Amino acid sequence: GQQLNQSPQSMFIQEGEDGSMNCTSSSIFNTWLWYKQDPGEGPVLLIALYKAGELTSNGRLTAQFGITRKDSFLNISASIPSDVGIYFCAGQLGTSGSRLTFGEGTQLTVNP
Amino acid sequence: EAGVTQFPSHSVIEKGQTVTLRCDPISGHDNLYWYRRVMGKEIKFLLHFVKESKQDESGMPNNRFLAERTGGTYSTLKVQPAELEDSGVYFCASSLHLGVNYGYTFGSGTRLTVV
Repeated sequence: GQQLNQSPQSMFIQEGEDGSMNCTSSSIFNTWLWYKQDPGEGPVLLIALYKAGELTSNGRLTAQFGITRKDSFLNISASIPSDVGIYFCAGQLGTSGSRLTFGEGTQLTVNP
Repeated sequence: EAGVTQFPSHSVIEKGQTVTLRCDPISGHDNLYWYRRVMGKEIKFLLHFVKESKQDESGMPNNRFLAERTGGTYSTLKVQPAELEDSGVYFCASSLHLGVNYGYTFGSGTRLTVV
């Protein structure tokens, strides 16, 4: 089946610093998504990318859909304590309907 | 609008017992999905309902797992008999239409621990 390789597994940054994480796949996806999960909650959609090469921002978050359609990155700028959580990338392949394939997640810690 | 509700939030059962997880989707959402995250790994797709019909159940691990959505409203996921490797967080999600751009919303999950 399809697999997404997400890195890093853990990220420790100082408050105010930027952080970046990425996902790669051996398969092409038509849609790339980035989710955040807070403790005890379900994943919440942060950014959705629909076109190869697309660069999209949501506040301090910026994500890009790779040109090859096999990768994506998420950048968090000027981190704050509430950015702490697990970030997941997910891909959706059109032929599989709305089924999502997720990466293993990046645990982000922001030190004050 | 109420979100996706899952019950219970936590469940601890012994190996060999039966557990039933429940998901109440957002009202009017025909699409309902089950996913699970095991041991800090990726969140994996289990199955997809459209109303009461199973659209895609290719992610179900084995026949110890039974999902139902009678009447096309809430869904249950039964694990019988539970094994140690079934421990993890089970997420339910719902959407109005197919595609993540149609409000694909996750519940808070049920943390299942099999001892």
